[in-house]
Amino acid sequence: KAGVTQTPRYLIKTRGQQVTLSCSPISGHRSVSWYQQTPGQGLQFLFEYFSETQRNKGNFPGRFSGRQFSNSRSEMNVSTLELGDSALYLCASSLGLAEITDTQYFGPGTRLTVL
Amino acid sequence: QKEVEQNSGPLSVPEGAIASLNCTYSDRGSQSFFWYRQYSGKSPELIMSIYSNGDKEDGRFTAQLNKASQYVSLLIRDSQPSDSATYLCAVTGGGSEKLVFGKGTKLTVNP
Repeated sequence: KAGVTQTPRYLIKTRGQQVTLSCSPISGHRSVSWYQQTPGQGLQFLFEYFSETQRNKGNFPGRFSGRQFSNSRSEMNVSTLELGDSALYLCASSLGLAEITDTQYFGPGTRLTVL
Repeated sequence: QKEVEQNSGPLSVPEGAIASLNCTYSDRGSQSFFWYRQYSGKSPELIMSIYSNGDKEDGRFTAQLNKASQYVSLLIRDSQPSDSATYLCAVTGGGSEKLVFGKGTKLTVNP
């Protein structure tokens, strides 16, 4: 079974621009979560989508948004980029069941650099 | 706010030794506990999951959970240089709740 895929793998943008990242979950997984990883803050939860609906949201400004499509693929958008948005953005998928054994598997990440 | 604490390390052990990684969490309602391994420049990879008190073994890895002490650990037996990575502890209330990660412990296994 193919793993979680993310595109693009690397991005360089300038301040003020916007960016869209894409994630395809493992086949059969209906939940997609997004995380930001930086050296200082570690892994921080952005949001989770399940069945095209945002189910959970972390403490990030409204510049960070996402959506999920009917095939469970998800996109994340960051508008008006700031230097501090430079990070590794990770997508994780899971079955999304309301069970304690529900497990998230990570994609390779998108490395975003904001100049 | 749920918090997960790990010793930042770095932790250095000789090849063949046992590496012990520790994690504490603040939310007593947490039900699911995970250890992820992250090599430099790569994404986190699931190593172990544990849901009930006690030990869970998988090959050279043993996860230990003590809910009364709000403590979870990972033991790596016969450590190999290829085990050198950052180990992330993650905790969730289970099901649809989000994962909360510790900042990770960097492990170096010296040949």
